[in-house]
Amino acid sequence: AQSVAQPEDQVNVAEGNPLTVKCTYSVSGNPYLFWYVQYPNRGLQFLLKYITGDNLVKGSYGFEAEFNKSQTSFHLKKPSALVSDSALYFCAVREGGLTGGGNKLTFGTGTQLKVEL
Amino acid sequence: DGGITQSPKYLFRKEGQNVTLSCEQNLNHDAMYWYRQDPGQGLRLIYYSQIVNDFQKGDIAEGYSVSREKKESFPLTVTSAQKNPTAFYLCASSIEIGEQYFGPGTRLTVT
Repeated sequence: AQSVAQPEDQVNVAEGNPLTVKCTYSVSGNPYLFWYVQYPNRGLQFLLKYITGDNLVKGSYGFEAEFNKSQTSFHLKKPSALVSDSALYFCAVREGGLTGGGNKLTFGTGTQLKVEL
Repeated sequence: DGGITQSPKYLFRKEGQNVTLSCEQNLNHDAMYWYRQDPGQGLRLIYYSQIVNDFQKGDIAEGYSVSREKKESFPLTVTSAQKNPTAFYLCASSIEIGEQYFGPGTRLTVT
């Protein structure tokens, strides 16, 4: 079974400061990992993914995430937060290499990011 | 423009009525998904379809039904058997491996 944990319901950060949104995962094999962002009453927007390769993944809007296999983590980061980054962020995982079971993702419960002036 | 559309954005129904939510995609994706989102619970998978005329139950399929007669379309029916149907419903699509692309969602309120 695959699972994702986002240990913080909310993260507060001042504009211009670096931000980190935490995610840890559990899968039987190699993970495929994803980050999404959701603005109020909207669908989810894809930010970035890790499938294989470089552990540091760069995505949209200046976000990046670091895959850490030993800590089973995939934390989302941004060097300098903007007020417009305030939104709900979801981490998702699926077990890599599986076929026949569909591209089913398991989502975390989400972390609300609030960036203040 | 390529993408996923869901209609309507807001839907109101009386308890005991079935209601069908629309999801259409022009991304030429084989796989499509339906999720339910409730506050504090993240996204939960209702049904998914890997190919036309085939679909599988997700984690919370009870009280829901789907069809996949066309590659572009994956409608979801919320039946009167669903005990707590009020929620935000999200449709997504993807290729076999990789990120899922989401529609704008339908907020269903049942009173």
